[in-house]
Amino acid sequence: AQSVTQLGSHVSVSEGALVLLRCNYSSSVPPYLFWYVQYPNQGLQLLLKYTSAATLVKGINGFEAEFKKSETSFHLTKPSAHMSDAAEYFCAVSEMDTGNQFYFGTGTSLTVIP
Amino acid sequence: DSGVTQTPKHLITATGQRVTLRCSPRSGDLSVYWYQQSLDQGLQFLIQYYNGEERAKGNILERFSAQQFPDLHSELNLSSLELGDSALYFCASSGRQLRNTGELFFGEGSRLTVL
Repeated sequence: AQSVTQLGSHVSVSEGALVLLRCNYSSSVPPYLFWYVQYPNQGLQLLLKYTSAATLVKGINGFEAEFKKSETSFHLTKPSAHMSDAAEYFCAVSEMDTGNQFYFGTGTSLTVIP
Repeated sequence: DSGVTQTPKHLITATGQRVTLRCSPRSGDLSVYWYQQSLDQGLQFLIQYYNGEERAKGNILERFSAQQFPDLHSELNLSSLELGDSALYFCASSGRQLRNTGELFFGEGSRLTVL
């Protein structure tokens, strides 16, 4: 069975600082991994996804994530935080063999301090 | 705009009542998912439909039911409502095939408040 663990339900960074949001997964087969962002009063939007191509995945708004099979991790990073990055971030895993069921982490709320 | 439409956006009702939430998936998407998001439970998977058939069930209460119609829109029915059912309910769609590497496309949610 798949599961996703997001370490740190709240992360605060200064504007211009590195953003690092952690995600670890468990999966019995090669997974598909996703990061979603949710701005206040909105639905979830896809930031980026890993589907067994390049292990370093670039997404929108300057975010990227690296798939590390040995560490079962898919951490999200951005070199320089912007005020507009303040939002809730969700990591998700899906396995094609299970008919596309998606499992979400509990989310990480990112605060950007001016 | 994700292409997924949910109605109503906001709903206020009383305990014991029944409500229906509606979702129209992206054009051509065959899978519809329902999620509940509350402050204390996070994003909880409720149920998934594919082309009219139930595919997977998550933490869906017996008081809740859903269906997907031939035109692929879906409805989530919540009955005997309790205060704890107050939450944001999301619909998402994906995939023109059951198995694919595509992502979920989320609607903007229906915010249910039970008083």
